[in-house]
Order: sequence, then structure tokens, then C-alpha cells
Amino acid sequence: SSELTQDPAVSVALGQTVRITCQGDSLRSYYANWYQQKPGQAPVLVIYDETNRPSGIPDRFSGSSSGNTASLTITGAQAEDEADYYCNSRDRSDNLLVFGGGTKLTVL
Amino acid sequence: EVQVLESGGGLVQPGGSLRLSCAASGFTFSNYAMSWVRQAPGKGLEWVSTITGSSGATYGDSVKGRFTISRDNSKNTLYLQMSSLRAEDTAVYYCAKGGGVSVMAKYYFDYWGQGALVTVSS
Repeated sequence: SSELTQDPAVSVALGQTVRITCQGDSLRSYYANWYQQKPGQAPVLVIYDETNRPSGIPDRFSGSSSGNTASLTITGAQAEDEADYYCNSRDRSDNLLVFGGGTKLTVL
Repeated sequence: EVQVLESGGGLVQPGGSLRLSCAASGFTFSNYAMSWVRQAPGKGLEWVSTITGSSGATYGDSVKGRFTISRDNSKNTLYLQMSSLRAEDTAVYYCAKGGGVSVMAKYYFDYWGQGALVTVSS
């Protein structure tokens, strides 16, 4: 089955821009989706189909992709953006779905 | 307003069985794939299973042959029957709505429940 790889932890200064990445062979064929999860809460979809933002998600969140790497960019990070972020996509060879291992974002 | 609400979690012995339910509202249930995603304590998200609007099912390798997903479109309810449970199945199980009728076309989860804790221990 496919794997999606994320950096375990990333930090950003308040108000600065941060990019969280997700790598995997399946991303050459399928979109990445991104979720934000705060402690004790359910995940929230922040980007779907690589670049689309659900209603209610601030426009400082954006998604992009190049080759086997998808990225979630937060432009002007806020204190409330401190959370775990997960990517997900499809497996290339089977009818399976996969998640990345997650990235813990710290806003300094 | 879209809502999904899990129930049925609890403590079960290794080798035992448990059934989770997920009551959905605020959308046309039969038009969307539904999934279960779990999260072991302190760990990341793991996709468990998905069922399409017409009840086609897929499973993750770790639960294939032990878990069965089903849905009752007349009751707007999703189920997960878990058997031969192991300690490593201990997790919060989330019910999640898919982006379309087929999860293989729209493979994101746009609404999540608050989760049901399943603990497998003797």
C-alpha cells in the first residue's frame, strides 16, 4: 500500500508563513486533502482536492502540489493555527485511502 | 446543519466483538460515501473502512476480515461491526462523511463526528 510522509513537527513565528508538506508516489496521480486537529477535538477539513477551501476556512490556508509532494501553506499564521495537520489521499494500486503521519505545528 | 454522531464505544476483552453506530443528519445520506477513521491514543489518523452510497465496501489491511461496515439508508445510520478485537484496535473511532457518492472519486472527509472510544483490554 501507499505511504504519505510528513515532517513530524514544524514551527512558525506568529504572523509568518509556513509550509507543511506531504510526500508520496500516489500524489503524482491523486489529490491531497488536508485536515487540522486540535487537542481533544475531531479533525476539520481545511483543503480538499489539492487547492479547494471549504466554506468557513480562512483564506490564509492554501494548498498546492508538485510532482510527488503536496503542500499546505498558512500565510500569516495565527496562534489558533497551532494544531496537528494531516494529509490524506488515495493509494495508487488498491482501492485504499491513506493518511500521512501528521505534522505538529507550533506557533511561536 | 450536517451532523454525525457516533455511539456504541466501550471496553471489550481481546477476541470480543463490538458494534459502533453513527447517526447522520442534515444531508441526503444515501448520496454520500461514509467512512470510519480511527486514532490510537497519542497517534495519527488511520483510515479503517468506507462504504459507498450503494453499499460497496472497502477496508484497510489491518481490519480486513475482522470488521464489517454497513449502512441503513432508511435510518440514516452507518455501522461498524468489529470482531476478533485486539489490543491494537484500541482507539477513538470517528465517523466521517465523504465528499461524494464514491469515495474513490471524492476521497476527502468533510464532516466528522466527535468520536467513540473503543478500549480492548482484559
